[in-house]
Amino acid sequence: ETGVTQSPTHLIKTRGQQVTLRCSSQSGHNTVSWYQQALGQGPQFIFQYYREEENGRGNFPPRFSGLQFPNYSSELNVNALELDDSALYLCASSQGERREYNEQFFGPGTRLTVL
Amino acid sequence: AQSVTQPDIHITVSEGASLELRCNYSYGATPYLFWYVQSPGQGLQLLLKYFSGDTLVQGIKGFEAEFKRSQSSFNLRKPSVHWSDAAEYFCAVGNTGGFKTIFGAGTRLFVKA
Repeated sequence: ETGVTQSPTHLIKTRGQQVTLRCSSQSGHNTVSWYQQALGQGPQFIFQYYREEENGRGNFPPRFSGLQFPNYSSELNVNALELDDSALYLCASSQGERREYNEQFFGPGTRLTVL
Repeated sequence: AQSVTQPDIHITVSEGASLELRCNYSYGATPYLFWYVQSPGQGLQLLLKYFSGDTLVQGIKGFEAEFKRSQSSFNLRKPSVHWSDAAEYFCAVGNTGGFKTIFGAGTRLFVKA
């Protein structure tokens, strides 16, 4: 069984640029969530996708957007990057029904640095 | 609003000593509770979870946690700490709306020889 994978591992961008981060869910999982973890803080929920539809969103601006594909892999897109977007971005997948809480399995993260 | 509080930003214990990391949560219903560990530059590894049933939960690496509803607490314990346990520990709660996990700010554990 393959776990959650993320790419790239590290990324450096400049302010104002756009970035796309990718996540492959654990086999058989239909739900993916994205979290932002700033240095020295706990992860903060960005949004979740269930069967290709957004299923909930945290307190992040619209320039943070996402997609989930039919194979349940996912992308996180961030437009107009700001310095404060520098963080570890974590993807988590889970399997279950839309309104049930299901245990999430986390990937290793993508470290984004915005200069 | 749901929240998780980890009162200790960092803790230092001697190798072989016992450990207790504190966690308090604010949640209106029976929560789903978790402890995760994160080594530097790594993702999150689940140590243990509480969904229902026995309030004393056993996890991996010799960790355990006890759910105390009256105190809204879910403290993590280990009887004898190893140097390899040095890491950041996060307590988290899952909401019954189904779509997110709320994390505490974390406790950094240092282990001295």
